[in-house]
Amino acid sequence: QSALTQPPSASGSPGQSVTISCTGTSSDIGGYNYVSWYQQHPGKAPKLMIYEVTKRPSGVPDRFSGSKSGNTASLTVSGLQAEDEADYYCSSYAGSKKFGVFGGGTKLTVL
Amino acid sequence: EVQLLESGGGLVQPGGSLRLSCAASGFTFSSHAMSWVRQAPGKGLEWVSAISGSGGTTYYADSVKGRFTISRDNSKNTLYLQMNSLKADDTAVYYCANGLLGSLGAFDIWGQGTMVTVSA
Repeated sequence: QSALTQPPSASGSPGQSVTISCTGTSSDIGGYNYVSWYQQHPGKAPKLMIYEVTKRPSGVPDRFSGSKSGNTASLTVSGLQAEDEADYYCSSYAGSKKFGVFGGGTKLTVL
Repeated sequence: EVQLLESGGGLVQPGGSLRLSCAASGFTFSSHAMSWVRQAPGKGLEWVSAISGSGGTTYYADSVKGRFTISRDNSKNTLYLQMNSLKADDTAVYYCANGLLGSLGAFDIWGQGTMVTVSA
């Protein structure tokens, strides 16, 4: 069982917005502003999409945005495109004893 | 070009050992914390271990503590993962991942992964 809880699936039509949640505890998401989101296409390595809750690495479209409230973080994908169909994983720093924890992943389907 | 290239995966019997390597290029390796992250077939990502840029501090997931050892050779720009007492549950693709400079727990560069299969 993953340390962070994500819905197994999410979907939306092209052009729509979809939000994926990620719930942890005060020991990880709630305790630090070090939440990251990764996109993974089948057979590929994960790609960093969001770090430190809201920041986007260079090259990531601004259609991807992150937020956090309490122990729950969220990834919003606006203006859905076919290439956004992938698995998405949240992650959080969890302190010096656990370091990093991941969510179980959410499969995003573009209808 | 910034790149991470894993090697050393393969088939090993339960109870056996394996050593993974990750060769880094295109960035100042010694400045970055590094991690190993694994993904069992059809499953999600699991953080395994991390090491500071100097190598002086290491972290382990409870699932591998006491069995796996992370290390690095900054003179060779290489990260290692020594895996002992392997179990079937350790079967996974193992990725090495670069820690984003100035942050914690974010990995901005990933290798292509190396498959480890633990089976009799």
